Amino acid sequence: GQNIDQPTEMTATEGAIVQINCTYQTSGFNGLFWYQQHAGEAPTFLSYNVLDGLEEKGRFSSFLSRSKGYSYLLLKELQMKDSASYLCAVPRGGNTPLVFGKGTRLSVIA
Amino acid sequence: NAGVMQNPRHLVRRRGQEARLRCSPMKGHSHVYWYRQLPEEGLKFMVYLQKENIIDESGMPKERFSAEFPKEGPSILRIQQVVRGDSAAYFCASSPVGTGSNEQFFGPGTRLTVL
Repeated sequence: GQNIDQPTEMTATEGAIVQINCTYQTSGFNGLFWYQQHAGEAPTFLSYNVLDGLEEKGRFSSFLSRSKGYSYLLLKELQMKDSASYLCAVPRGGNTPLVFGKGTRLSVIA
Repeated sequence: NAGVMQNPRHLVRRRGQEARLRCSPMKGHSHVYWYRQLPEEGLKFMVYLQKENIIDESGMPKERFSAEFPKEGPSILRIQQVVRGDSAAYFCASSPVGTGSNEQFFGPGTRLTVL
């Protein structure tokens, strides 16, 4: 089965950099997703990693180490609107139903 | 291109009533997934459907819950005889193909409140 662990809450200052970690255990790896979810809204796709290394997309970057079962999401130049929950997820085997972590609630303060 | 649509956005039911939640996937998407999110909890997979087929319902409670995705029309998640513990946000997602590399696009969710 799959198991995903990420911190429950984090706080960071506007303009700073924050790293949100995710560790996973899965019986067959088919990539790892990061989603952003603002309170009361739908999750929106941020990134997908299937190979080791860092993928950069604007202010957001995502890193994967398959041998360590570890990923992180890096947010730079934090803005107030980045206050949201960040969800780490892996697909179950060959199908795409996703197994989500409980999410990390990020609060950006002035 | 419209995104995933869900209705109603908010649904209030009394204990024992039925709840019907609808999901229209993105145009060109034939795979639909239903997830449930309890307050302060992560998203939990419930059921995965293609047109007229249930592919994986391992996350759905055996009793009171059912889902369908007919040839024509939206996917329906049906909860019979609702109980307070069914109060949650129910999200539908769709993807174009059923492989692990494809992003799932989420609808805005239906927030079910059981009184």
